[in-house]
Amino acid sequence: SQTIHQWPATLVQPVGSPLSLECTVEGTSNPNLYWYRQAAGRGLQLLFYSVGIGQISSEVPQNLSASRPQDRQFILSSKKLLLSDSGFYLCAWTFQLVFNEQFFGPGTRLTVL
Amino acid sequence: QKEVEQNSGPLSVPEGAIASLNCTYSDRGSQSFFWYRQYSGKSPELIMFIYSNGDKEDGRFTAQLNKASQYVSLLIRDSQPSDSATYLCAGRPYNTDKLIFGTGTRLQVFP
Repeated sequence: SQTIHQWPATLVQPVGSPLSLECTVEGTSNPNLYWYRQAAGRGLQLLFYSVGIGQISSEVPQNLSASRPQDRQFILSSKKLLLSDSGFYLCAWTFQLVFNEQFFGPGTRLTVL
Repeated sequence: QKEVEQNSGPLSVPEGAIASLNCTYSDRGSQSFFWYRQYSGKSPELIMFIYSNGDKEDGRFTAQLNKASQYVSLLIRDSQPSDSATYLCAGRPYNTDKLIFGTGTRLQVFP
């Protein structure tokens, strides 16, 4: 069976500090991978998605970036965090060839102070 | 712009009743639709998906899709307090590998 991991689970960072969130998927190969942000009381905003190693599509221009250095690893980064970057960050995956369900990781709650 | 809209609620129903959650979408080319449940502070978990007009049943849950009206719904029979959560509707636009999410409907089931 497939599992998806995210870490850290919670993070408190000062404004202007860097960020690195990691997501890994086990039990499948060549998945599509997605980063979402959910601000307090808001819906899911798609930030980035990837269909393969090194292939990143950005949905919303901002001070975040994503990378996919390995098939089942997806990283979200920032050089300098803003207050508005606070939120619940969710990684998700789907089978690439047969898109049915999108499965979410446990999420990282980021607070920028 | 492709959109999925949901009433934010809260929708309050008594235990044992049927909860009806609704969703409309703007992209007529959307192929399939997904319902997720999200407990407070947790990540969304998939309940079910539907891609054909009509009803699809899974246990206490029934998804309904009406492509002509661009309308999706989720019925929860015999609602339990443990069903209290936010329910997210999502649609997959034609020829994409992305989902467009609604903002969710908060359901409260009271004993």
